[in-house]
Amino acid sequence: DVKVTQSSRYLVKRTGEKVFLECVQDMDHENMFWYRQDPGLGLRLIYFSYDVKMKEKGDIPEGYSVSREKKERFSLILESASTNQTSMYLCASSLGGGLMPQHFGDGTRLSIL
Amino acid sequence: QKEVEQNSGPLSVPEGAIASLNCTYSDRGSQSFFWYRQYSGKSPELIMFIYSNGDKEDGRFTAQLNKASQYVSLLIRDSQPSDSATYLCAVNSPGTASKLTFGTGTRLQVTL
Repeated sequence: DVKVTQSSRYLVKRTGEKVFLECVQDMDHENMFWYRQDPGLGLRLIYFSYDVKMKEKGDIPEGYSVSREKKERFSLILESASTNQTSMYLCASSLGGGLMPQHFGDGTRLSIL
Repeated sequence: QKEVEQNSGPLSVPEGAIASLNCTYSDRGSQSFFWYRQYSGKSPELIMFIYSNGDKEDGRFTAQLNKASQYVSLLIRDSQPSDSATYLCAVNSPGTASKLTFGTGTRLQVTL
């Protein structure tokens, strides 16, 4: 089974802090993704990566950056956290090829105070 | 803007009945289609995927795809209270490096 592990299940940070969310997958997947999920808005793609050190912006990249130094690890960075970034953050991974399903981690519920 | 549309529900069905969940998509070039189940407070879990027109069955679940009508559905036979969850439809389009566009989900309630 695919295992996608997110470093924290719950996280509370303060406005202006730099926040790191970590994600590790154990299936040698090429693609990794970061989403946020808010009530009524569904899943929205923040950033994704299709190879080590490669990244592309998703639909809502503003206020976020990412890092992929190793194939199994994909980090989401909130440069200066704001209250409107309070959300559930979901990491996913998939094999390459363009048609493969994504597998999700358990999610991190982030609160910015 | 590629779109995936689902009725938000709730869809209420009695235990043992067939639940029918529907999804329409706007990109005619879409090639792969996925159904995820999400329990409240949990992350999405893949339950079915389909690439070709027609039906694909897996246990109590059947995915149906009609590319001409840009329509994909999920049937759940013999619905159980444990099937109560939000079901997300997701669609992949060519040239998007495995990106998926998700619908906002249909909430299913299976009543005793």
